[in-house]
Amino acid sequence: AQKVTQAQTEISVVEKEDVTLDCVYETRDTTYYLFWYKQPPSGELVFLIRRNSFDEQNEISGRYSWNFQKSTSSFNFTITASQVVDSAVYFCALSDPAQDQGAQKLVFGQGTRLTINP
Amino acid sequence: EAGVAQSPRYKIIEKRQSVAFWCNPISGHATLYWYQQILGQGPKLLIQFQNNGVVDDSQLPKDRFSAERLKGVDSTLKIQPAKLEDSAVYLCASSLDEVGSVWFFGPGTRLTVL
Repeated sequence: AQKVTQAQTEISVVEKEDVTLDCVYETRDTTYYLFWYKQPPSGELVFLIRRNSFDEQNEISGRYSWNFQKSTSSFNFTITASQVVDSAVYFCALSDPAQDQGAQKLVFGQGTRLTINP
Repeated sequence: EAGVAQSPRYKIIEKRQSVAFWCNPISGHATLYWYQQILGQGPKLLIQFQNNGVVDDSQLPKDRFSAERLKGVDSTLKIQPAKLEDSAVYLCASSLDEVGSVWFFGPGTRLTVL
């Protein structure tokens, strides 16, 4: 069965610090997709990144970077020079397309609440 | 491009009352999902539609929850009768019918059952 674990329930840092959010996943399939979503106080889940299981290249987008390591089943997310606007709950999620009837499922971790203090 | 629309944004009801939520997915998205997010937890899938048909409703408490997707576009989720433990945010999401598609979420409906 699929499972996503975000061990850090809450993280609090001071503005301009770097912060890494951990994500560990479990799946028996070789083809899968990993996602990160941001949920600001407004409540809407905002898509940040998708990564497929065959692409282990790290990705950088501005102050955000993602480190995917299949060997440790981890997909960690780093924010460099954090800002107050980065305060939100961040969810890691796993999609496994190898389901009955071709129906994809998106399984979420419990989320990490990130607070950036000025 | 318009995102996933949901209404109402907030709803307060008393236990044993009924309530309905509405969702309009992104145009062209064949797959529609309803998730329940209890405070402090990650979203949990309630039901998944592909066009008009139900693909997965294994996590839907069918004694009180029902959902439909008319004409493969809009969807409604109903709770009747509501219980205190149904207090949560109900999120609607849609995606293309392709492997690895991104799920796009609506703003959610925050339900409080008193």
